[in-house]
Amino acid sequence: GEEVAQTPKHLVRGEGQKAKLYCAPIKGHSYVFWYQQVLKNEFKFLISFQNENVFDETGMPKERFSAKCLPNSPCSLEIQATKLEDSAVYFCASSQLGQGGEAFFGQGTRLTVV
Amino acid sequence: KNQVEQSPQSLIILEGKNCTLQCNYTVSPFSNLRWYKQDTGRGPVSLTIMTFSENTKSNGRYTATLDADTKQSSLHITASQLSDSASYICVVTPYSGGGADGLTFGKGTHLIIQP
Repeated sequence: GEEVAQTPKHLVRGEGQKAKLYCAPIKGHSYVFWYQQVLKNEFKFLISFQNENVFDETGMPKERFSAKCLPNSPCSLEIQATKLEDSAVYFCASSQLGQGGEAFFGQGTRLTVV
Repeated sequence: KNQVEQSPQSLIILEGKNCTLQCNYTVSPFSNLRWYKQDTGRGPVSLTIMTFSENTKSNGRYTATLDADTKQSSLHITASQLSDSASYICVVTPYSGGGADGLTFGKGTHLIIQP
């Protein structure tokens, strides 16, 4: 597709439940990034992929967060046992050239943990 | 630690007026600096991208400048319109030899255009 598609747009989970977010990057883009926006404009880097390979996962809280980008499937970000502080908007971005190229963002998934 | 600081935090101006937003960064070396516009409830949309060798870049009524020596950038908006109301985020990409490292985001300037 010509835009980064994120689903769902909104997600509400009870504390301790699992949450799974999806991202379809722009066709032909090799790089996918996940970001967490908690407060106004505070973007926190989570993880990046080059095709299906994890490139940088230094931002991931590994105990509960995991992510995949498998061939012919949307990328996914999964949070096991959600906590209240996981409430945020999660953005996915894709890029053709990695850090040197234009990064196109999806509309985000707003996760609310209650 | 790589940091991007933006000012002002918020700004209110009348429709038709010009404004300038500031961005200071400590990221070094860096690959490129971007300005994004983020409407409420939407994802960021790129306005400009500049490499370290570029001083200025325009996109319609938006003009970005970059001084790599002082590590400062500005975004100038000319003849503001109501649709310019949004958050403007300065994003710096650190250079690490290529790949998919994360971008360093500023906290943004929240701009409100009043009729």
